[in-house]
Amino acid sequence: GQQVMQIPQYQHVQEGEDFTTYCNSSTTLSNIQWYKQRPGGHPVFLIQLVKSGEVKKQKRLTFQFGEAKKNSSLHITATQTTDVGTYFCAGSNYQLIWGAGTKLIIKP
Amino acid sequence: DVKVTQSSRYLVKRTGEKVFLECVQDMDHENMFWYRQDPGLGLRLIYFSYDVKMKEKGDIPEGYSVSREKKERFSLILESASTNQTSMYLCASSHRSYNEQFFGPGTRLTVL
Repeated sequence: GQQVMQIPQYQHVQEGEDFTTYCNSSTTLSNIQWYKQRPGGHPVFLIQLVKSGEVKKQKRLTFQFGEAKKNSSLHITATQTTDVGTYFCAGSNYQLIWGAGTKLIIKP
Repeated sequence: DVKVTQSSRYLVKRTGEKVFLECVQDMDHENMFWYRQDPGLGLRLIYFSYDVKMKEKGDIPEGYSVSREKKERFSLILESASTNQTSMYLCASSHRSYNEQFFGPGTRLTVL
């Protein structure tokens, strides 16, 4: 069946370093959404990408949707402690198919 | 603000018990969803509903059923709870398919 693979599962960074998570779908997607889940919290919608090759920015976060609409990435520049959490992609055709998430951990 | 509420944050049940998890949204959303979340597995869709009295199976419906008698309320039922149903259960709603989903705070269910 349709799958969305997300890597890495964890990423440990020093505060101030960059962070990137990648999602790859086995099929072409109509759109992709990104969510953030803080520790102990629930997923919160960040953004939706619809167009092939689309790039969107939210402050230090940059979201990309691949030309073939099968892959996407989220890049955070200069991480801060408030960025800690798990980032999920969710690709959509008929239903949302969720990636397993990437947990961002800031090293003490 | 969209609000999705779930009946309990924590629940402990015994094997074989019938368990009801309730979800209510106040934004007149057509779509409602039930997920379970387990470490390393992300969110897995159990059931969803696009309208009152309508339901569709998600990826892992076995051992679960749902009820949507009113637009704002979507219930998840574990007919006979088992230990492998110990998990975090998340309810979500959205205005239309493919639009952003709004999540409730989750219910952490432990089945002993």
